[in-house]
Amino acid sequence: GQQVMQIPQYQHVQEGEDFTTYCNSSTTLSNIQWYKQRPGGHPVFLIQLVKSGEVKKQKRLTFQFGEAKKNSSLHITATQTTDVGTYFCAGQNYGGSQGNLIFGKGTKLSVKP
Amino acid sequence: DGGITQSPKYLFRKEGQNVTLSCEQNLNHDAMYWYRQDPGQGLRLIYYSQIVNDFQKGDIAEGYSVSREKKESFPLTVTSAQKNPTAFYLCASSPQRGAVEQYFGPGTRLTVT
Repeated sequence: GQQVMQIPQYQHVQEGEDFTTYCNSSTTLSNIQWYKQRPGGHPVFLIQLVKSGEVKKQKRLTFQFGEAKKNSSLHITATQTTDVGTYFCAGQNYGGSQGNLIFGKGTKLSVKP
Repeated sequence: DGGITQSPKYLFRKEGQNVTLSCEQNLNHDAMYWYRQDPGQGLRLIYYSQIVNDFQKGDIAEGYSVSREKKESFPLTVTSAQKNPTAFYLCASSPQRGAVEQYFGPGTRLTVT
């Protein structure tokens, strides 16, 4: 079945360093969503990317959707301790189980002050 | 105060017992979902429902059952047939299936011994 691969699984950074997580889908996606889960919490929606090559920014976070709509990335500039958590991408299909999200396994970010 | 509630936060059961996890939403959302989260595995879809009295199996439905008798409620029963029931269970909803974002409840951590 369709898979969404996400790397790295873990990332440890010093506060102030940048961070990037990458997602790759085995099939072309209708759109991709990003969620953040704080330790002990539940996933919270961050953003959705729909268009090929789309780039969106939220303060220090930059989200990109690949030209082929099969890969995506989240980049955080100058990490802060508040960025700690697990970041998930979730792809949505065009057909078949359309409407269901396929989640990557997540990248767990730790930030050392 | 709108949102999704799940209860209880922690649940302990003996092997061989069925257990029902509660999920209630007052967001007037049509679609509701159940996910299972294991360490390093991301979120996997168990069941979803688009409207009252209708639900569909997700990727890992074996050993689980659901009902959707009311729009606000989508309880999940973990049966004794589920071989590895210990996990973190997350309920989510969206205005309709395929809508932009899913709203997650706080989760129930089930431990079966």
